[in-house]
This record gives sequence, C-alpha cells and structure tokens, in this order.
Amino acid sequence: ELKVEQNPLFLSMQEGKNYTIYCNYSTTSDRLYWYRQDPGKSLESLFVLLSNGAVKQEGRLMASLDTKARLSTLHITAAVHDLSATYFCAVGDYGQNFVFGPGTRLSVLP
Amino acid sequence: DTEVTQTPKHLVMGMTNKKSLKCEQHMGHRAMYWYKQKAKKPPELMFVYSYEKLSINESVPSRFSPECPNSSLLNLHLHALQPEDSALYLCASSQERTGANQPQHFGDGTRLSIL
Repeated sequence: ELKVEQNPLFLSMQEGKNYTIYCNYSTTSDRLYWYRQDPGKSLESLFVLLSNGAVKQEGRLMASLDTKARLSTLHITAAVHDLSATYFCAVGDYGQNFVFGPGTRLSVLP
Repeated sequence: DTEVTQTPKHLVMGMTNKKSLKCEQHMGHRAMYWYKQKAKKPPELMFVYSYEKLSINESVPSRFSPECPNSSLLNLHLHALQPEDSALYLCASSQERTGANQPQHFGDGTRLSIL
C-alpha cells in the first residue's frame, strides 16, 4: 500500500528565512507532484517531478526528487508572507493509485 | 480562475434529499476525478473516470453515485447522505488517467453540508 508522509506538518517561519519541507513515500513511484492550497480554496499545481534527480524551480520555491531514497523536498528561499498556505505532495504508483501526503501548513510571519 | 468548473459552490441538504454535484472541463482532458476533502486533511480519491469509463472506485459508499455523460462532464449524484459526508468535494481532470507528465487540474470545489 502506498503511504506518503510529510514533515513538518506545521511550519512557522520568519520572512527572509529559508526552510525545507520533506515528502517521503513507501513504494516505488513513477511521478510526484507538489500542490499548494490556500484556506477555503482549491489546489494549485506547483511542480511535476518524474525522474530521479529532477529539480524544478519557480520563484522562491525549488523541488527535487530522489527516487532511490523515495524522498522529495520543497525548498523555500527567503520566504515572504504570500507563501503562507498548505503544501501537499502527491505520489502516483505505476498503476492507478494516487495518494496525497497529509500536508504542511506554512505560516510566514513578518 | 480555474479551468475546471464545479457547481454549486455550496450545498446544504438533508439526509433524505437527492442532489447532484457537477463538474465541467474544456481542456480536452480524458481523465476526471472526484475527491473528498475534510477540514485540515488531504484530499481523498473517490472515483476516477478514464475515457468516460469508471476505472477506480475507492470503496466509496453507494450513496455516492458518479456519472460521466461525456468527456467534458462529470457528475456526482448524492442520496441519503450522512452528517459525516459533510466536506469539500473536489473535481479534477488530467490528460490521461495516470497523468504521467501533467498534473491534475482542480476545480474550486463544492462545500457540502448535511443536516
């Protein structure tokens, strides 16, 4: 059974600081996604990672994938208040299953 | 604005009512999904349609009945729901069922309350 974990589950950080969110999964996967969700809103796709060593960057966010370690990271550089949201990783197996992690609730404080 | 449109945005219904949630996309996607999301929890997959055929039913109670009339539309028919079914119901679509190199695109959801 595919299981996805994230840590931390809650993250409070100051503006201008850097931090990393981790996503671990239990079985081999052919794809991993990062999504952002603002309170009361839908999910916004951030990154799609398909291969070992994949790295993608958009603004202050950078995501990477290590399929051997079954680990993805979402690195935040010089955080700003607008990044406050819940961040989910989601993992697919080679079949039909697609599982979300529990989410990391990020608060960026001035 | 999302490219996946869900209606209604809010729905309050009694346990004996019958209602339907609707989802529409015009991106040419051939896979469509229903998720249930409780407050402060991740989305949980309920159903997947691929090329208008039901390909995944994640052990969802029969009081939820999905329907895919065509490649652009997805419905979720509700009947005799329980209070614990109150949640945000999200529809999503992707190019293929596995969505290999494309993410799923989510609608804004329908917030459902069961009285």
